[in-house]
Amino acid sequence: SAVISQKPSRDICQRGTSLTIQCQVDSQVTMMFWYRQQPGQSLTLIATANQGSEATYESGFVIDKFPISRPNLTFSTLTVSNMSPEDSSIYLCSVEAGVGNEQFFGPGTRLTVL
Amino acid sequence: AQKVTQAQTEISVVEKEDVTLDCVYETRDTTYYLFWYKQPPSGELVFLIRRNSFDEQNEISGRYSWNFQKSTSSFNFTITASQVVDSAVYFCALSEQNRDDKIIFGKGTRLHILP
Repeated sequence: SAVISQKPSRDICQRGTSLTIQCQVDSQVTMMFWYRQQPGQSLTLIATANQGSEATYESGFVIDKFPISRPNLTFSTLTVSNMSPEDSSIYLCSVEAGVGNEQFFGPGTRLTVL
Repeated sequence: AQKVTQAQTEISVVEKEDVTLDCVYETRDTTYYLFWYKQPPSGELVFLIRRNSFDEQNEISGRYSWNFQKSTSSFNFTITASQVVDSAVYFCALSEQNRDDKIIFGKGTRLHILP
């Protein structure tokens, strides 16, 4: 399995500001994923981040709003830019790891935008 | 199109009862993976199982069991002798090998186990 940590675990931010969320994995992984879970909702994939290439965004998500970095095989960041209350969600990073390529999730970052 | 349907939004059962959570999926691919995750009130997502499309054998893990039926595109999850600690939201999910294993989640079933 993979042990994933995220920072911060939660934050309360003002409208119009930006927040960068960090995701650290205890082993080298090729693919990292960023998900959003809005209150009471399911998880929605934002983008896939592979080391050494641009992130691939899903429909409805754009790089200007959610820039992603992937500087090495154990770390990634997601920035939520120019935040509005609608961005209040849990943001989770995920990696594919293990013998069976299971997907493991970090503990999430709970973001509240006022 | 890729789709996961969990028709049961919320279920309540009394402790020690058995409960089955339904999951129906839709995919055009022959190679795909199905998952179940548990999200307790604390919010973390706990991996329960991953099953590939070529393995229809049912699986049992303690009080948990999964019934995979390709003929009906279903991957149902049963908890036997439920316990209060089983209270959580359970997500069924699907990924396709040719879509870089991106996981698509169902809307989840909120399970309440009443003491």
